[in-house]
Amino acid sequence: EAGVTQFPSHSVIEKGQTVTLRCDPISGHDNLYWYRRVMGKEIKFLLHFVKESKQDESGMPNNRFLAERTGGTYSTLKVQPAELEDSGVYFCASSQETGSAYEQYFGPGTRLTVT
Amino acid sequence: RKEVEQDPGPFNVPEGATVAFNCTYSNSASQSFFWYRQDCRKEPKLLMSVYSSGNEDGRFTAQLNRASQYISLLIRDSKLSDSATYLCVVRAGGYQKVTFGIGTKLQVIP
Repeated sequence: EAGVTQFPSHSVIEKGQTVTLRCDPISGHDNLYWYRRVMGKEIKFLLHFVKESKQDESGMPNNRFLAERTGGTYSTLKVQPAELEDSGVYFCASSQETGSAYEQYFGPGTRLTVT
Repeated sequence: RKEVEQDPGPFNVPEGATVAFNCTYSNSASQSFFWYRQDCRKEPKLLMSVYSSGNEDGRFTAQLNRASQYISLLIRDSKLSDSATYLCVVRAGGYQKVTFGIGTKLQVIP
């Protein structure tokens, strides 16, 4: 079974540019999450999709970040315009919605560097 | 105060040693608890869930103390391959939103 995939693996952009990150969850997983890890800090929750709906976007830093999941399959996270503090590793994770059982499977992450 | 606190380490231990990590959480309404393992420049992977009664998986034992709001992970007979960062993860109610600790780095030395 294919795991969670993310594209690109690395991105270096200049301040003010736009970047779009993509996440393909495990097939059949309705739940999709975005996280970010800034160097030296904890992994922070950004938002959670259930199918195509945003269940919780309380972790999104500001309106420069836009996440979509059209059709409830893959998701994109767009940063526009990028700022220096947006640098970090962006992880995507997915999970099946199963009662008390719970495991999030993480993708390899996209390392974003804003210069 | 952070929602989930961990000693970032590093913990340097010899092969074969027993090592324990603790993690404290601030939200008494937290419902689910996990230990994830993250290798350098890799994604986090679930090591084990933590149940109220405590649970064991091979050389790994996890325990939960709700009264004191801490979780522990014990690794027995450490292997070189155990070298990694161990992340404490807490789900504090809501709809599967989780909070990560900063992680504890373990280095097992030959």
